[in-house]
Amino acid sequence: KAGVTQTPRYLIKTRGQQVTLSCSPISGHRSVSWYQQTPGQGLQFLFEYFSETQRNKGNFPGRFSGRQFSNSRSEMNVSTLELGDSALYLCASSWDPITTDTQYFGPGTRLTVL
Amino acid sequence: AQSVTQPDIHITVSEGASLELRCNYSYGATPYLFWYVQSPGQGLQLLLKYFSGDTLVQGIKGFEAEFKRSQSSFNLRKPSVHWSDAAEYFCAVGVKAAGNKLTFGGGTRVLVKP
Repeated sequence: KAGVTQTPRYLIKTRGQQVTLSCSPISGHRSVSWYQQTPGQGLQFLFEYFSETQRNKGNFPGRFSGRQFSNSRSEMNVSTLELGDSALYLCASSWDPITTDTQYFGPGTRLTVL
Repeated sequence: AQSVTQPDIHITVSEGASLELRCNYSYGATPYLFWYVQSPGQGLQLLLKYFSGDTLVQGIKGFEAEFKRSQSSFNLRKPSVHWSDAAEYFCAVGVKAAGNKLTFGGGTRVLVKP
């Protein structure tokens, strides 16, 4: 079974631009979560989606948004990029969204904001 | 809100020696506990998890962890370290009411000496 895939793997943007990252979960998994990883703040939860609905949201500004499609694929969008948005963005999928389930992570998208 | 502390930022261990990584959590009830490993430039790989039951949990790659409720700890151990174990290790806690939102510790980077 294929793992979680994320595209693109690397991205370079400039301040003020916007960016969209994509995540395809493991087949059959219906919950997708996003995390931001930076050297200073570590791993921080962004949001979780299930059945095209956001179920959980972390403490990030409204510039960070996401969505989930009917096939469970998810995208996250960051508008008006800031230098501090440079990070590794990790997507994780799991089967059961009702209780805490084992999450499987993708390789991440490395975003660099210049 | 729950929190996770990994007191050791870096650990250096000789190949063949034992390894123990510390993890302390703060949460009022029994949490769901996870250990993940991240190699450079990679996503997170699940080593093991604790949801309930036997407090000594076996994982992949010869790792085990013990949940101690009285100490709010979930330390990771490996009897004999291999050079390929050099990586960063993350402890994470999940809460049943919070779905798949994980709170991560700051991580412990393990260096293996030949």
